Amino acid sequence: SAVISQKPSRDICQRGTSLTIQCQVDSQVTMMFWYRQQPGQSLTLIATANQGSEATYESGFVIDKFPISRPNLTFSTLTVSNMSPEDSSIYLCSARASYEQYFGPGTRLTVT
Amino acid sequence: EDQVTQSPEALRLQEGESSSLNCSYTVSGLRGLFWYRQDPGKGPEFLFTLYSAGEEKEKERLKATLTKKESFLHITAPKPEDSATYLCAGRGGSQGNLIFGKGTKLSVKP
Repeated sequence: SAVISQKPSRDICQRGTSLTIQCQVDSQVTMMFWYRQQPGQSLTLIATANQGSEATYESGFVIDKFPISRPNLTFSTLTVSNMSPEDSSIYLCSARASYEQYFGPGTRLTVT
Repeated sequence: EDQVTQSPEALRLQEGESSSLNCSYTVSGLRGLFWYRQDPGKGPEFLFTLYSAGEEKEKERLKATLTKKESFLHITAPKPEDSATYLCAGRGGSQGNLIFGKGTKLSVKP
């Protein structure tokens, strides 16, 4: 299994600013992911964080808006850039360990 | 198009009243059917992965089963602490990513 921590757990940000979310896994994992969960909705994959190379983004998500880093096998960051109220959501880090996939506690972002 | 559909959207049970949650899927090249539990304000907690039709897995009052078209999460004699949203996801498609259903919100009343 994998235990995942995220910082910050929540934040309130002003429109037009950026926020970087950190994700730490307690063991080396093959794959890391970032998801978004809007109120009352299920999970939507933003991108796969690739170690040592550019992230792979899903349709509807772009690098300029959601830059991602993954410098090693246990750590990744997601930045939400130039925020608008529509970016208010829970952002979840996830990691795949062998065949199973685990999630962090989430970062609750509110943009005013 | 790959899709996962969960039903019902919400389920209210009395403590001790057993029931089942349904997850229907059309996922190309399915490489696993996942069940998660999510409590309000928290990330999804991994419960089970099922890989082939006929497979069953159990954990306390929960049992997950898998057929070629759907999965069931059976809850036996539920307790109020089982109240949560239960998410189903299939791994498959061209990228092998998880495709989530919208979840079933379970409420168990004492």
